Amino acid sequence: DAGVTQSPTHLIKTRGQHVTLRCSPISGHKSVSWYQQVLGQGPQFIFQYYEKEERGRGNFPDRFSARQFPNYSSELNVNALLLGDSALYLCASSLIQVSYEQYFGPGTRLTVT
Amino acid sequence: GENVGLHLPTLSVQEGDNSIINCAYSNSASDYFIWYKQESGKGPQFIIDIRSNMDKRQGQRVTVLLNKTVKHLSLQIAATQPGDSAVYFCAENPELNAGGTSYGKLTFGQGTILTVHP
Repeated sequence: DAGVTQSPTHLIKTRGQHVTLRCSPISGHKSVSWYQQVLGQGPQFIFQYYEKEERGRGNFPDRFSARQFPNYSSELNVNALLLGDSALYLCASSLIQVSYEQYFGPGTRLTVT
Repeated sequence: GENVGLHLPTLSVQEGDNSIINCAYSNSASDYFIWYKQESGKGPQFIIDIRSNMDKRQGQRVTVLLNKTVKHLSLQIAATQPGDSAVYFCAENPELNAGGTSYGKLTFGQGTILTVHP
């Protein structure tokens, strides 16, 4: 079975632009969480979606938004990009909402210039 | 605020040695702890987990120890191999809040870089 997939793998954007990152969870997993990992640090929780509803939000500005589709795939959107948004964006899927065993994708490396 | 952190940012060992990676946590309400391994260019990979009602849990070549008295977590890797070289993160999933609400949020520590020399 395929693991969590994310696209694109790398992305370069300019300040002020917006970006959409995509994630496909493991087949059968209904929960998707998004994390931001700045170089040299651990991942920071952004959102969790379960059954197409937002179930949790981390300490990120409203420029960050996400949604989950009927097939449980998810998109993370970031508007008005800042240099500080440069990071690895990770998607993790789990079978149910409160599942401690989360499986991470390879991430999307976003560079904002 | 509450956070999970690591004592040692880097650890260098010889192949075949045992490795011990430490983690301190401050959220006494945390119910569940996980160790992840992250290789360069990849997402974190689940290694082993432990619930707060346990002191020790063993996997294949790995053991996690939890000391709730001093809020300390450790990962022991037996017979460390070059393929174990990676960044290791501990993470916690806090207990349900008073309202019974929870979600799949993981709080990660900074990470420890493990380098295994042949």
